Order: sequence, then C-alpha cells, then structure tokens
Amino acid sequence: QSALTQPASVSGSPGQSITISCTGTSSDVGSYNFVSWFQQQPDKAPKLIIYEVTKRPSGVSNRFSGSKSGNTASLTISGLQAEDEADYYCCSYAGRSTSWVFGGGTKLTVL
Amino acid sequence: QVQLVHSGAEVKKPGASVKVSCKASGYTFTAYYMHWVRQAPGQGLEWMGWVNPDSGGTNYAQKFQGRVTMASDTSISTAYLEVSRLTSDDTAVYYCAREPSNGIFDHWGQGTLVTVSS
Repeated sequence: QSALTQPASVSGSPGQSITISCTGTSSDVGSYNFVSWFQQQPDKAPKLIIYEVTKRPSGVSNRFSGSKSGNTASLTISGLQAEDEADYYCCSYAGRSTSWVFGGGTKLTVL
Repeated sequence: QVQLVHSGAEVKKPGASVKVSCKASGYTFTAYYMHWVRQAPGQGLEWMGWVNPDSGGTNYAQKFQGRVTMASDTSISTAYLEVSRLTSDDTAVYYCAREPSNGIFDHWGQGTLVTVSS
C-alpha cells in the first residue's frame, strides 16, 4: 500500500481538462510544500512535470498545473492531448525519518 | 547536457546481492544528491534512499535499512546501489535520480532491470 493515495485511473477526451488527486496526511502533503508530480510513458523513466506544489520545470507545457489544499495535492491537465496518455505519480516529503513517499500512480487515458 | 547512465540488466538468484551503477555526466556530480527509486513490474514507484556524493552521507527508507547500501565514487562521477539478500519481491527496475533540492528529481537514469529468479 502506497503512502499517498491516487485514483487508479482517470480519463478524458481531447481538449478537456482532468484533475488527479493525491491524498496524504498531516505528516507529509499537509506539512510541506515539497510535492512533485511525474509523468511516465510506457517503458520510460519518469519525467518531472511539477515541483514544489505549483512550479513547472523549463520546457514543461503550461497545460500542466499543480495545487494543494490541506492534505491533498492535485495535478490538473488542461486541453488534453493524445500525448498526455501516461501514468502520473505524486511524491511528497514526509519528514526526516520517512523522507520521501510516492503515490500509487494514476493511469490517464485520452479517449 | 545532464545524463545518468545505468549499468546493464542483472539476473540473480534468491539470497544473492546485486550492485547497480549510475554514471553521471554534464554537471558537477558532488553538487546534487542522488536518489534511488525502484519500480516492480506493473507497479508504482518506491523511494529507497539517497546518497550525498559530496559527503558520502546516506539516508535509507526504513523498509530497506540493513539490506541496501548506497555509495558514490567522485573520481568517476558514479553512484552505486547494492541490495543484499535478494528475494523475488526485489525484481524491479531500479532508477537513479538527481536532486538539486526539495524533491526536485529533475533527471533520471534509464533504469536497470534486476530479475531475481531461481
């Protein structure tokens, strides 16, 4: 069982927006603004798309955005494109003893 | 450009140990922590720990303490992960990932597949 809870799957049509949630606790997501999101295409390494809750690395489309409320972080993808079909993982800092925890991953299907 | 290049796939028997390497290039190796993350077939990502190449310091996830060793060789800009007492549950792709700070795992290696089978 993963430390952070994500829906197993989400889907949307091209052009639509979707949101993936990442629920933790007051010991991780709720306590630190060190939440990252990763996109993983089949048989590829994960790619950083959001860090520190809301920030986008250089080169990542502004269709990707992040937010946080309480113990839940969210990733929103607007203007869905076929190339967005992938697995998405959240990750949060969880303090000195636990350090870093990942969500179980969400498979995005573009219909 | 930043590159992290893993050693090749490994097949090991239960009870054995495996050592995976991750060679860095394109940046100052000692300026960034190196993390190790694994992914079992069809499963999610699992954080294992980090090594600080500058100091040699390490921090392991509680689950792996006593069974993993992370190290680095600054002379060849390479990080290492050793896992001992392997079981079939350790069959996974093992990734190294660079961290400038605050969980910004901004570059990942291509991964090393470790298969544990009798």
